[in-house]
Amino acid sequence: GAGVSQSPRYKVAKRGQDVALRCDPISGHVSLFWYQQALGQGPEFLTYFQNEAQLDKSGLPSDRFFAERPEGSVSTLKIQRTQQEDSAVYLCASSFGGGRIDTQYFGPGTRLTVL
Amino acid sequence: QQQVKQSPQSLIVQKGGISIINCAYENTAFDYFPWYQQFPGKGPALLIAIRPDVSEKKEGRFTISFNKSAKQFSLHIMDSQPGDSATYFCAASKGSSNTGKLIFGQGTTLQVKP
Repeated sequence: GAGVSQSPRYKVAKRGQDVALRCDPISGHVSLFWYQQALGQGPEFLTYFQNEAQLDKSGLPSDRFFAERPEGSVSTLKIQRTQQEDSAVYLCASSFGGGRIDTQYFGPGTRLTVL
Repeated sequence: QQQVKQSPQSLIVQKGGISIINCAYENTAFDYFPWYQQFPGKGPALLIAIRPDVSEKKEGRFTISFNKSAKQFSLHIMDSQPGDSATYFCAASKGSSNTGKLIFGQGTTLQVKP
């Protein structure tokens, strides 16, 4: 079956532009996570959805970052007024269950470069 | 604050050798410890995971050793192959949390020489 897909795979933005990154989780998966992976580092948690409810946004680095999952399936991570420090790979992961430990399946990521 | 520390940063092993990667954690509330494998341009993929009620878990050539008192765990790759060349991340999670979010180590780049 299809895994987690993300689009676009690569995004180049000029400093100050807004960007939107899309995640299509595995069908039927309740939980959806966003992580940020800087070059040469491990992924860092940004936010978590259980169905359409955003239960944890403690990892969002600033109020320029916003995520939504309005129908409990596809999710969008939006970054407003991008800065150079936002350059990273943004990973989406989904898991079957909600609120418990389950294998997280990762997408290939979106590589964002802010010039 | 680095909650999960991973070492070494990079590792070179000959084909057929044993690759060992170590992780240490600080938060005793962590109760799920997965290892992820990541190839260039791909997302991380779960390799093997362990809970603290066991000291060792083996799946094929991959073994996790867990030392609860020392708050350390390690990944052993037996009979390492060139196809194992990738970046490996340890991670930890709290089962009591309502999210299951993962805290990752910094990663180890493994190169297996033919």
